[in-house]
Amino acid sequence: EAGVAQSPRYKIIEKRQSVAFWCNPISGHATLYWYQQILGQGPKLLIQFQNNGVVDDSQLPKDRFSAERLKGVDSTLKIQPAKLEDSAVYLCASSFKQGFVNTIYFGEGSWLTVV
Amino acid sequence: QKEVEQNSGPLSVPEGAIASLNCTYSDRVSQSFFWYRQYSGKSPELIMSIYSNGDKEDGRFTAQLNKASQYVSLLIRDSQPSDSATYLCAAYNTNAGKSTFGDGTTLTVKP
Repeated sequence: EAGVAQSPRYKIIEKRQSVAFWCNPISGHATLYWYQQILGQGPKLLIQFQNNGVVDDSQLPKDRFSAERLKGVDSTLKIQPAKLEDSAVYLCASSFKQGFVNTIYFGEGSWLTVV
Repeated sequence: QKEVEQNSGPLSVPEGAIASLNCTYSDRVSQSFFWYRQYSGKSPELIMSIYSNGDKEDGRFTAQLNKASQYVSLLIRDSQPSDSATYLCAAYNTNAGKSTFGDGTTLTVKP
């Protein structure tokens, strides 16, 4: 079974520029997540989709970050304009739920450096 | 107080020893718990899940859950240098449909 796919894997941009990350979840997984992980910290949820609806975007800096999940499958996360503190790994993940157990699987991540 | 707390470490154990990783959670309605391993420069990889009080064993790994104490642990028996990584604990709240991750414990297994 194919895992969560993400691209690009690495990106270096200057501050105030824009960047977009793409994610394709595991087939059949209705829930898709974007996490931000800064070195030395755990993953921080930016946005959670259930099919193509937003479940939680309370920690998404909406003045600069946006995300969409068209047709309930692929998703794109955009940052515009980027700040130095946005340097992090952006992890896309998907999950399926069986009863009260919700198992999350991560993609390989998109590493962003803002200079 | 963080919702999921882990000792950041680093935790260092000799090869062949038992490594014990601990996690506490504050949300009493959390029902399922997960341990992920994250190697440096890689993404988190699921090791195991647990949702019933007691122990759950999978090879060299044993997860322990105590809901009364709001405590989850991961034991790694016969630790190997390849186990050196950061271990993330996560708790899932079914009612809120929300998973929360700790900041991880860094484990070093010395040959």
